[in-house]
Amino acid sequence: AAGVIQSPRHLIKEKRETATLKCYPIPRHDTVYWYQQGPGQDPQFLISFYEKMQSDKGSIPDRFSAQQFSDYHSELNMSSLELGDSALYFCAVGGAGAVVPYEQYFGPGTRLTVT
Amino acid sequence: SQELEQSPQSLIVQEGKNLTINCTSSKTLYGLYWYKQKYGEGLIFLMMLQKGGEEKSHEKITAKLDEKKQQSSLHITASQPSHAGIYLCGADGGGADGLTFGKGTHLIIQP
Repeated sequence: AAGVIQSPRHLIKEKRETATLKCYPIPRHDTVYWYQQGPGQDPQFLISFYEKMQSDKGSIPDRFSAQQFSDYHSELNMSSLELGDSALYFCAVGGAGAVVPYEQYFGPGTRLTVT
Repeated sequence: SQELEQSPQSLIVQEGKNLTINCTSSKTLYGLYWYKQKYGEGLIFLMMLQKGGEEKSHEKITAKLDEKKQQSSLHITASQPSHAGIYLCGADGGGADGLTFGKGTHLIIQP
């Protein structure tokens, strides 16, 4: 079965640059979640969207923003990158309309390295 | 805020042996998720538990949620090298909230 797609899978940026990460959900999953997982850390929730509206906010820096589009894909925009932003960024999809309601399926992640 | 404590932090088990990983929440769980993660890779969904006393199984992995919905255990029977990885429990705060994760349990299977 098709899974959650994230692009790019790897990204290298310099300090103070910007990055855009993309997440393409699987059908019938109308909720998107973004997580950040630093080296050796557990994933930390950043932000979520339901039906293209922001629904919950976690530990997302002000330098980051995200949105969900009409086709339900989502983008995480990161500006003024810092070395500490180097991490794995996951999106997860779920929602009431999912095959199993509120299950969260994770994408393979984007590894961001800031040099 | 909700906190999840996983134990043990790491586990080395001989192939073929059984093992159990625990996840304890500081608050009542609305939903408890178990994931497996290969080092540096994505999270693989294992199962989700919502009801007190619920138990689910998939192949050789069984997860239970206690009656009070504050603790879950993940049990692997007859462990295999493919079971090696990091096991994470995640708690659902309800609605469209993101999950709060435990620190993970590193499982190593010795041949």
